[in-house]
Amino acid sequence: GAGVSQSPRYKVAKRGQDVALRCDPISGHVSLFWYQQALGQGPEFLTYFQNEAQLDKSGLPSDRFFAERPEGSVSTLKIQRTQQEDSAVYLCASSLAGQGGEQFFGPGTRLTVL
Amino acid sequence: SQQGEEDPQALSIQEGENATMNCSYKTSINNLQWYRQNSGRGLVHLILIRSNEREKHSGRLRVTLDTSKKSSSLLITASRAADTASYFCATRGSSSNTGKLIFGQGTTLQVKP
Repeated sequence: GAGVSQSPRYKVAKRGQDVALRCDPISGHVSLFWYQQALGQGPEFLTYFQNEAQLDKSGLPSDRFFAERPEGSVSTLKIQRTQQEDSAVYLCASSLAGQGGEQFFGPGTRLTVL
Repeated sequence: SQQGEEDPQALSIQEGENATMNCSYKTSINNLQWYRQNSGRGLVHLILIRSNEREKHSGRLRVTLDTSKKSSSLLITASRAADTASYFCATRGSSSNTGKLIFGQGTTLQVKP
């Protein structure tokens, strides 16, 4: 497709379960970002990849959160031992330029932890 | 934690009226961007203004930037019902080498037909 896609769109997990969220960026986009958006709030930065290199993971809230982009295209955000406070929409964005340009966002994955 | 603050948090206007949203931020920036988010969907980029620019136009959108006050405003003229959405400002810090964006809390705009 022409835009950023994410799957699944909705995920319900029981507390303690592991989840994996997938992002397919726009083909050829070097930069990939993950953001977390709580209900009624703006997105908050989680992590950044330039190609396959994870250059910034300062926003990951705990060591239960792990992201990878092994071949420099598709990325996966994994959350281990999910907790209720992990409930949020997880947004992926990609951009062509390395820094500062327009970011193209996917529709997000809404994660609900029961 | 989020850097930006936006006001108002919510705005309700009639179709045809203008809507103004304000954003303040805390640190020096490289650029400031505005995004729109429709309910339950991803963000759509509206406009980007660089730190050395003071005003920018795109269609019915007008953005101003005052770096001395660390603030920006988004004006939507002749609003339409389809403009109903949440609007977020986002800044890229001048010290950032990754391009990550810091978002405000957003303004929810309702345009009544």
